[in-house]
Amino acid sequence: GENVEQHPSTLSVQEGDSAVIKCTYSDSASNYFPWYKQELGKRPQLIIDIRSNVGEKKDQRIAVTLNKTAKHFSLHITETQPEDSAVYFCAASTDKLIFGTGTRLQVFP
Amino acid sequence: DGGITQSPKYLFRKEGQNVTLSCEQNLNHDAMYWYRQDPGQGLRLIYYSQIVNDFQKGDIAEGYSVSREKKESFPLTVTSAQKNPTAFYLCASSATGINTEAFFGQGTRLTVV
Repeated sequence: GENVEQHPSTLSVQEGDSAVIKCTYSDSASNYFPWYKQELGKRPQLIIDIRSNVGEKKDQRIAVTLNKTAKHFSLHITETQPEDSAVYFCAASTDKLIFGTGTRLQVFP
Repeated sequence: DGGITQSPKYLFRKEGQNVTLSCEQNLNHDAMYWYRQDPGQGLRLIYYSQIVNDFQKGDIAEGYSVSREKKESFPLTVTSAQKNPTAFYLCASSATGINTEAFFGQGTRLTVV
């Protein structure tokens, strides 16, 4: 079955710096790759997603890239702000949605 | 007000007892999922259902059971066979086709005492 690995598990950056979170997946049939943000005590919420026919997608300060050959996808956050502090999860989907283990991002003012 | 609702928010169970977690959605979504969240382990899939009266095991189904008798409801039973049931449980749903946004409930924190 699908396996999703996510790195790093924790990431600390200074406000205004960029943050990058990387994921790899095992099932080449995966064709949908969402990213979720979970703030403390809250439910995960979708922040951006990408489908396998697209290599890159951007939404304001957030971008996601996908390398199907290498089975890698990454989340890029630019100009980080303290409110970006949260746990971020990547996921890959075939017939079911499998999540990575999460990255705790801390943005220091 | 559309959404996905889990109840209760907190649940305490005595060791050896079965307990059922509720998940209801009024989004008209076909697919529903149950995940378990433990610190440092992300969201692990317990069961999922793509259509009424059908469901499949996820990666950690042992000790759990589900039913999908109605489109809106996907209850999860944590049985006494689950060796370490204390965790945060999240239910999610998505529209027809797995490759669409999954919406999560607010979660149920289960504690075995």
